[in-house]
Amino acid sequence: SQTIHQWPATLVQPVGSPLSLECTVEGTSNPNLYWYRQAAGRGLQLLFYSVGIGQISSEVPQNLSASRPQDRQFILSSKKLLLSDSGFYLCASSENNNSPLHFGNGTRLTVT
Amino acid sequence: QKEVEQNSGPLSVPEGAIASLNCTYSDRGSQSFFWYRQYSGKSPELIMFIYSNGDKEDGRFTAQLNKASQYVSLLIRDSQPSDSATYLCAVPTGGGNKLTFGTGTQLKVEL
Repeated sequence: SQTIHQWPATLVQPVGSPLSLECTVEGTSNPNLYWYRQAAGRGLQLLFYSVGIGQISSEVPQNLSASRPQDRQFILSSKKLLLSDSGFYLCASSENNNSPLHFGNGTRLTVT
Repeated sequence: QKEVEQNSGPLSVPEGAIASLNCTYSDRGSQSFFWYRQYSGKSPELIMFIYSNGDKEDGRFTAQLNKASQYVSLLIRDSQPSDSATYLCAVPTGGGNKLTFGTGTQLKVEL
């Protein structure tokens, strides 16, 4: 079964600073990878989706970007954080288009 | 209309009772449905999923689909305090197994 690693678990960053969150997956090859964000008291919002290396779909316009430099590595970035970027960032993986998503432990980001 | 809707709760049930959680979806062509459990401060954990061809039972959990009314239910039998969490319903939308989540129903199982 697949294991999803995310780090760091918590992060406090000032407004205007850059961001890099990393997610790596073990136990599967060529997974679909996802970045979701959960704002305080709100539902999960899909940010980015990838079906393979270098293939990124952005679901909502925003201050963030994503990259997939390796098959099982997914990175979420920002050049300049906004207060509104605060939230719980979750990386998820599915083995294929018919498999359920499994989530990593998440990164709780606070922008101050 | 939102693609996936859930009553935010909280839904309070006594220990040992059956908890019934509902989720409505807008796309009549949806073929699969997922239930996740999320403890406070933690990431969502997959509980079970069903396809449009039938209901499913797994231990104390049962997922039921009503295609005519476009809702899916999660029943938890013999509810335990450890079942207290937020339950998220999710449906694939937009192709490629991208899940759209409801905002979740908070369940409280009381002693």
